[in-house]
Amino acid sequence: DAGVTQSPTHLIKTRGQQVTLRCSPKSGHDTVSWYQQALGQGPQFIFQYYEEEERQRGNFPDRFSGHQFPNYSSELNVNALLLGDSALYLCASSSTGTGSLYGYTFGSGTRLTVV
Amino acid sequence: AQSVAQPEDQVNVAEGNPLTVKCTYSVSGNPYLFWYVQYPNRGLQFLLKYITGDNLVKGSYGFEAEFNKSQTSFHLKKPSALVSDSALYFCAVRDMGNNLFFGTGTRLTVIP
Repeated sequence: DAGVTQSPTHLIKTRGQQVTLRCSPKSGHDTVSWYQQALGQGPQFIFQYYEEEERQRGNFPDRFSGHQFPNYSSELNVNALLLGDSALYLCASSSTGTGSLYGYTFGSGTRLTVV
Repeated sequence: AQSVAQPEDQVNVAEGNPLTVKCTYSVSGNPYLFWYVQYPNRGLQFLLKYITGDNLVKGSYGFEAEFNKSQTSFHLKKPSALVSDSALYFCAVRDMGNNLFFGTGTRLTVIP
C-alpha cells in the first residue's frame, strides 16, 4: 500500500519563476493538505483540497495556488518565486471524517530552493 | 484560535535514560493532539495521538504521551532512550477544519 508520494524530491528555481509540485495521496484518502516548512521551523498550513475544491487556506498569498484532480492527486503552484519561498513543501493526506482519528499521512516532501 | 508551544528547542539525554519532550496547547473545545517525528531530509512520521479516553497514550517505537487537561500539556515520553531516537519532534493540534497546526519543534539528541 503506497503512502503519500511527492514529486520532484528536489527542485532549484530562479527568483520570479513559477513552480508546480505534485502529490499523490495514500490509497483510500480523499483529502490533501499542503504545508511549507522553512529551515528550522515547524510546518505551516498552506491550504487543503477536498472534492477538487480549496476548502481551507492558511496565511499565504495568492501566489500560492493549487488544484485537486478527480483521482484525488493534487498540485501546488507558486508564481513569482521569492527567495523566501525556499523550503520543504509537505503534502499530507487523510480520509474525510477520519483524519482526526487515524492521523494524517505525510509525504517525504519536495525541497524547493529559489536562487 | 489554536496553538501549540514547544518550550525547548533542544533536549539532550543519555542513551538508556528516560526522555521527555514538552508540549503545551491552546484550543477551543476538545483538543485533538498529535506527535510527529522528522528525520533529516524526510517528511513527518506519525507517532501517536490523543482524541479522547485514557490520558496516557501509547504510540510507535515505544513512545507515549501524557495528556493533562488542567495543565494543557501533552508531553512526549519514553522510558529508555535509544541513539536512533535522535530526531526532530513536533507537537500538533487539530483545528475545527481538520487541519494540523504545529509547534516549532524540539531537536532530541540521544548521547551514546
